[in-house]
Amino acid sequence: DAGVIQSPRHEVTEMGQEVTLRCKPISGHNSLFWYRQTMMRGLELLIYFNNNVPIDDSGMPEDRFSAKMPNASFSTLKIQPSEPRDSAVYFCAASRSSYNEQFFGPGTRLTVL
Amino acid sequence: AQSVTQPDIHITVSEGASLELRCNYSYGATPYLFWYVQSPGQGLQLLLKYFSGDTLVQGIKGFEAEFKRSQSSFNLRKPSVHWSDAAEYFCAVGATYGTASKLTFGTGTRLQVTL
Repeated sequence: DAGVIQSPRHEVTEMGQEVTLRCKPISGHNSLFWYRQTMMRGLELLIYFNNNVPIDDSGMPEDRFSAKMPNASFSTLKIQPSEPRDSAVYFCAASRSSYNEQFFGPGTRLTVL
Repeated sequence: AQSVTQPDIHITVSEGASLELRCNYSYGATPYLFWYVQSPGQGLQLLLKYFSGDTLVQGIKGFEAEFKRSQSSFNLRKPSVHWSDAAEYFCAVGATYGTASKLTFGTGTRLQVTL
C-alpha cells in the first residue's frame, strides 16, 4: 500500500489567492483527519471525517477554511482567501475508525506571501 | 475531554545513553495511547501503541513504553540512543465517539543527540 498521499508537497502562493490541498487516504481506512502544524501552536486537528461525513470541524480556524470528502479515496482542504498566517505544514491522516491508530501523510508545506 | 502533557520540551542525551521521555494523560476511561516520531521535514510515524493487555509495549527502532494507570503515564524509553533518533516525539491519547475516533496529541519533546 502506498500510504496516505498528499499533494502538492510544497505550495507557495500570494495573499488572497485560493489554495487547495489534496489527500488520498489508505484504502479501507474510513476515517480521515486534517491537521495543521506550526511552531507556535504545534499540531492542531482541523477537521475529521468518518465514512466521508464530517464529524467534527470545530478546529477549522475560520470560514476561509473548508474541507470536503466527496468519496472514500479523496479529500480536499481549501483556503479562500489565503493569508500569511495560514503558512504551516498541513497533514492528512487516515485510520480505521474503530482502532484509533492514525497513519500520516508526508504533509504539504504552505507558504503564503 | 482527554488531554496529554509532555513536560519536557527539549531533551539532550549523548549517543549510547539511555532515554526516557515523559507523557501524562487525562482520560476518563481506559485510554488508547500512542507514541509518534517526526523527523525534520517528515510526517509523523507511529513508534508504538497501547490498547490493552501487557502494560509494557515494544515498538519499532528499539523503543518501548510502559502504561502505568496509577500514574496516568505512558513514558517512552530506549536503552541506548543512536544519533539517528534525533527527532521530535509526540505522545497521543485516543478516544472513540460513536463510530469515529480521534487522537489528542501532546506538544512534543524535541530530542537532541550529542556524539
